[in-house]
Amino acid sequence: EPEVTQTPSHQVTQMGQEVILRCVPISNHLYFYWYRQILGQKVEFLVSFYNNEISEKSEIFDDQFSVERPDGSNFTLKIRSTKLEDSAMYFCASITNTEAFFGQGTRLTVV
Amino acid sequence: DAKTTQPPSMDCAEGRAANLPCNHSTISGNEYVYWYRQIHSQGPQYIIHGLKNNETNEMASLIITEDRKSSTLILPHATLRDTAVYYCIVRVVTDSNYQLIWGAGTKLIIKP
Repeated sequence: EPEVTQTPSHQVTQMGQEVILRCVPISNHLYFYWYRQILGQKVEFLVSFYNNEISEKSEIFDDQFSVERPDGSNFTLKIRSTKLEDSAMYFCASITNTEAFFGQGTRLTVV
Repeated sequence: DAKTTQPPSMDCAEGRAANLPCNHSTISGNEYVYWYRQIHSQGPQYIIHGLKNNETNEMASLIITEDRKSSTLILPHATLRDTAVYYCIVRVVTDSNYQLIWGAGTKLIIKP
């Protein structure tokens, strides 16, 4: 079964530092998404990406965040100047017309 | 805003059928109902989806009411490994996107 791969599985960073979370989506999929889940809370949409550009973003996805697909395979989420409240699980999803496949997530801990 | 409502938690005995309800009274005609589950904050795992008709796969069955305002996920023979948070999700189609609208989920505990 095809799978979405995320790296790293766990990242600890100091407040104010920049982090890059990486995702390798399924190669023939067209839509890519980032979600986050703060511990004990529900999954929240951050941003969707289609045809090499952002197609939709949530209120959470402010100027602190950016996404890109630099080489046609990796799909990255960059968080500039991390804050304590950015600590969460971040999930990448790769989506077709009918199915959404999620990676196992990156646990980001900001200290 | 979530388009689904689910009970926050449910128990089920091992070996019995687990029936998880979901209300989606504001669902539109072209919006699918999806079910995912999440075990210990791992990545959400796809279970099943449907539009109007009942669906069955190797994991579960999905029963959608005729008015599409509610649905039930059925795990026919629950095992301890089915303990997880189960999310009923509506997939919305926008001009540029598919969007999964997540609810709060049901924490299902399978008891021996």
